[in-house]
Amino acid sequence: EAQVTQNPRYLITVTGKKLTVTCSQNMNHEYMSWYRQDPGLGLRQIYYSMNVEVTDKGDVPEGYKVSRKEKRNFPLILESPSPNQTSLYFCASSVGQTPGELFFGEGSRLTVL
Amino acid sequence: GENVEQHPSTLSVQEGDSAVIKCTYSDSASNYFPWYKQELGKRPQLIIDIRSNVGEKKDQRIAVTLNKTAKHFSLHITETQPEDSAVYFCAEEGMNRDDKIIFGKGTRLHILP
Repeated sequence: EAQVTQNPRYLITVTGKKLTVTCSQNMNHEYMSWYRQDPGLGLRQIYYSMNVEVTDKGDVPEGYKVSRKEKRNFPLILESPSPNQTSLYFCASSVGQTPGELFFGEGSRLTVL
Repeated sequence: GENVEQHPSTLSVQEGDSAVIKCTYSDSASNYFPWYKQELGKRPQLIIDIRSNVGEKKDQRIAVTLNKTAKHFSLHITETQPEDSAVYFCAEEGMNRDDKIIFGKGTRLHILP
């Protein structure tokens, strides 16, 4: 089954404790991206990757890191989480270089205390 | 910078009536305009999209219209049904995947029995 898989789906952590949210897609998509969703603010792009070893900042990259060492994986890293990073996070992938449908993962709800 | 304004933020319509959601954008280079539907607790999913060389696109009860001169595009849902209740997001993107995807803040659509 074609899918985008995120883990963990739910996480409660404390300020400053490094965490990684994994994202994996099995559709051989070139493009992958991360979004955060907050009430009243919609979806905001954090980082995106056009292909392996190519990553770029979105609109709200501060406090986040990403890597794209393999085509299928695009982990989101919070080196020192803070309460303002409490949010619902979505990973998404898309076929290639031309803008087109985004396939979203199920979301990861993160709470930073 | 790029911006997408989406209106209204909340919309209630009687079952069977039509619903219209509008988005305006600022970047004249925008070329791709998708609409995503997000049901409660679920991931966003593409329902329809349009590219700048087309003025209107229809898929059963859903249609999207684009006015590039005025920089606005709209989602039209006819004969609304209870399963249309969801949050709808518009988005815009440039010619290339290198251009950031900008989402509107969303419209919560309620279908009243």
